Order: sequence, then structure tokens, then C-alpha cells
Amino acid sequence: QVQLVQSGAEVRKPGASVKVSCKASGYSFTGYYMHWVRQAPGHGPEWMGWINPNSGGTNYPQRFQGRVSMTRDTSIRTVYLEVSRLMSDDTAVYYCARGTVVTSGAYIYHGLDVWGQGTTVTVS
Amino acid sequence: QSALTQPASVSGSPGQSITISCSGTSSDIGTYNYVSWYQHHPGKAPKLMIYDVTKRPSGVSNRFSGSKSGNTAALTIFGLQAEDEAVYYCSSYTSRSTYVVFGGGTKLTVL
Repeated sequence: QVQLVQSGAEVRKPGASVKVSCKASGYSFTGYYMHWVRQAPGHGPEWMGWINPNSGGTNYPQRFQGRVSMTRDTSIRTVYLEVSRLMSDDTAVYYCARGTVVTSGAYIYHGLDVWGQGTTVTVS
Repeated sequence: QSALTQPASVSGSPGQSITISCSGTSSDIGTYNYVSWYQHHPGKAPKLMIYDVTKRPSGVSNRFSGSKSGNTAALTIFGLQAEDEAVYYCSSYTSRSTYVVFGGGTKLTVL
């Protein structure tokens, strides 16, 4: 079945970096965009960007540009999220989630149909 | 503060119907038909319930229905069941640099 399995919880000090992984199975890894969404305690979800696993192309919202990096390793069907210069406000559960089918056209958001189990990142 | 506005909580009795609203702007819900809804049980992965305003993914009960009017989208759940108790989030494409925005979530309690 289609599944996304994320790496385990992390604790970091302010100013450090963290790298979270998300391993996909059960579908064509390079055929679907992958998104990252985080949810801080007491807040709604926050979109962090997407990666095209086929090309490696990425799209980040302005507030994360320069501090967030999404990469992939197609040989092991895994995408990564790295967040640098961590602050206490980055304490959250981080989710990977599958987006739309990769096409030659512009990306269109049709929702996120499969989610990972979440990775808790604590900055303290 | 989330970009989309949802009520903090709603409640209903088994068998009843409830509607959760999601208010946006002309930069998102008002212009684009790319609204989605997610069900989130504590400790589990969120589940896509509705996409493109009205469409249900395969396997989602037809008790869940989405709609939109102007800058506001809505999720209606018919025939409430105990397992529907969860937090529901709306989301939309936006023409702003954030690209994708979410609501703050609505806690549904089945009485």
C-alpha cells in the first residue's frame, strides 16, 4: 500500500540544524510531488514547500527561503527536509505529504492525499 | 494566526449533520477551486477528505461533502458518527507567495 515513513524525533539546540527523512513506498516515487507541512503546538498547519522528486526542483514560501532545503535520493525513494538556524518557534511536528502527479506543466495544488506519521522536532 | 479562518469548535449528536466554515479571501478561496479538507485524529496522520472544493478521494464516505460560496468554503458531515470526532482543517491554493494556506482547525465533538 502507499506509505510514507518518517524518521524519529529530534532534539536540537537553538542555532543548530535538523534533517528529517521521509521514505516512500507503494507508488511511483518520481511521479508525485512531495510536500512538507509542520504544525507547532496550539497552531494550525503551516506549508513549508514542495519538491519534485523527478527533477529535484523545489518551491519554498518566502519566509523559509534560505533556511529550508528539500532534497531527494531516488535510489532509496527518500526525500529530506533540512532546517537550519533553528529557533524555539521551530518546535513542531513535521509531516511529509504526497501532492499531485508530476507533469510537464505548472504545479496545481489538489490537496495532499497521503501523509507520513510525523516527526517531532524540539528546539530547546 | 492562520491565513484561513475556521470556528474553533463545533458539536453535534449522532445522526445529525454539521457544517464547518472556512473563510478566506479573493487571493485564495474566492478565486480558485483548490480547497481541500483534512481530518486529523490525535497521534495519527491527517487524512484527506475533500479536494478541489467538492471531490472525495476514493474510500472517503459520501457523508462528507464540500462546497464554496464567495470567499468561504464549507465542509458538511451528514449522519454524524462517533468516529467523526476529530480536528478538521481546511486548506487552499493562494496566489500569494505562501502558495498553500491552512486554517487553524475546528474541533468536532460528537455528543
